[in-house]
Amino acid sequence: DSGVTQTPKHLITATGQRVTLRCSPRSGDLSVYWYQQSLDQGLQFLIQYYNGEERAKGNILERFSAQQFPDLHSELNLSSLELGDSALYFCASSLISGGANVLTFGAGSRLTVL
Amino acid sequence: AQKITQTQPGMFVQEKEAVTLDCTYDTSDQSYGLFWYKQPSSGEMIFLIYQGSYDEQNATEGRYSLNFQKARKSTNLVISASQLGDSAMYFCAMREEDRDDKIIFGKGTRLHILP
Repeated sequence: DSGVTQTPKHLITATGQRVTLRCSPRSGDLSVYWYQQSLDQGLQFLIQYYNGEERAKGNILERFSAQQFPDLHSELNLSSLELGDSALYFCASSLISGGANVLTFGAGSRLTVL
Repeated sequence: AQKITQTQPGMFVQEKEAVTLDCTYDTSDQSYGLFWYKQPSSGEMIFLIYQGSYDEQNATEGRYSLNFQKARKSTNLVISASQLGDSAMYFCAMREEDRDDKIIFGKGTRLHILP
C-alpha cells in the first residue's frame, strides 16, 4: 500500500456521461498530480495541485476539470465522456513541489467508456 | 518535440545479465530532475531512482544505477544481475525545475527477462 488512495478502482460508464475520480494523498503530502494512461501508452500529465492551488497544467481537455480541497484530497471530473477517454487514471502525491520530491502513485482508477 | 525519448519499445534479456534501458531528454532548463519508474503487469507505478541535474555522481540504488551523461542529455538505467521479477514496463521521467513543476514521462520500455 503506497498510502495514496484512489476511488473507484474500476468504473464502467456510457458515452456522454460524467464521472468523478477521487484521490487521497499520502499523509503529509501537499502536492497532487493526475495522469492518464491509455492502453499501452505512457503517462500523460493532466494537472498538478499544491496545497489547494493549481500549480501546473498539461494537455488536459476542457471536458476535464480538477480541484484540490482544503483537506488536500483531490477530485478529477470527466464529463461528456467519449470512447477515447477509456484509460487508467493515476493520482500521485509528493511532500512538496520541485526538487527531488518523488511521486508516490496510487493504484489507479480504470475507466471504461462504452 | 518530445521531451523524453525512450527508443527501445521492448527488450528481451537473459536472467542474471545486466540490462541498460536508454532515455534521452530535451530541456533548456539548468535545473531539472530525472526519475525512473517501474510498472509491473499488476499496474502500479514503483519509483526506482532519481538523478538531479547538479548531481556530480551517478545515482545508485541497490541493483539500479544511472549512467547520467549531461552533455548528451541522456540518463540510461542499468539493472545489474537481472531477475525474473524485473520483467515490467520502465518509464523515464523529467521535472523541469526552472518553470512549473510538472513531471513528464516517456513512452516506456517493456523489459522481458528470460529464464
